[in-house]
Amino acid sequence: GQQLNQSPQSMFIQEGEDVSMNCTSSSIFNTWLWYKQEPGEGPVLLIALYKAGELTSNGRLTAQFGITRKDSFLNISASIPSDVGIYFCAGQDAGGTSYGKLTFGQGTILTVHP
Amino acid sequence: DAGVTQSPTHLIKTRGQQVTLRCSPKSGHDTVSWYQQALGQGPQFIFQYYEEEERQRGNFPDRFSGHQFPNYSSELNVNALLLGDSALYLCASSLITATYEQYFGPGTRLTVT
Repeated sequence: GQQLNQSPQSMFIQEGEDVSMNCTSSSIFNTWLWYKQEPGEGPVLLIALYKAGELTSNGRLTAQFGITRKDSFLNISASIPSDVGIYFCAGQDAGGTSYGKLTFGQGTILTVHP
Repeated sequence: DAGVTQSPTHLIKTRGQQVTLRCSPKSGHDTVSWYQQALGQGPQFIFQYYEEEERQRGNFPDRFSGHQFPNYSSELNVNALLLGDSALYLCASSLITATYEQYFGPGTRLTVT
């Protein structure tokens, strides 16, 4: 089945630094999404990407849908303490029997030191 | 605008028991998906409901079953609980025309002892 490899597994950074994380898949996805999860909460949708090569921003967050459709990255610029949390990539294959199902990566734990 | 709500927040059950978890989708959404999130892992897809029918299922045994009601709310039932069923159970809602954008509830933390 489809698997997503997300890296790095964890990051410890200073406030104000930029952050980059990425996700690779063994198969093609038609949609890539990035979520953030904080303790005791469900994942919150940050950015959705629908087309290969697409670059989308949401405030200090920027994400790109890889040209091969098998990867995506998320950048966070000028990190602040409230960026702390677990970031998940997720992909959806719009065709075949996988329609509707999201496949998630293992998550990147982000810690920001003031 | 109410988001996705789930109940209960926490639940403790004994091995072999049965449990029912509940979900109300975001206002205007008609599709509900359920995920299991083990500690330190990403969510794993269990199944998805639309028009009161299960339309897609992940790699979970038949002990996991669900239901969707006419008002689009949903239940997840797990029979014959195992210790390994301990996890955060997440409900996500979406429009059937846009199932790629799923919005998650806060989850139900199930502990099986």
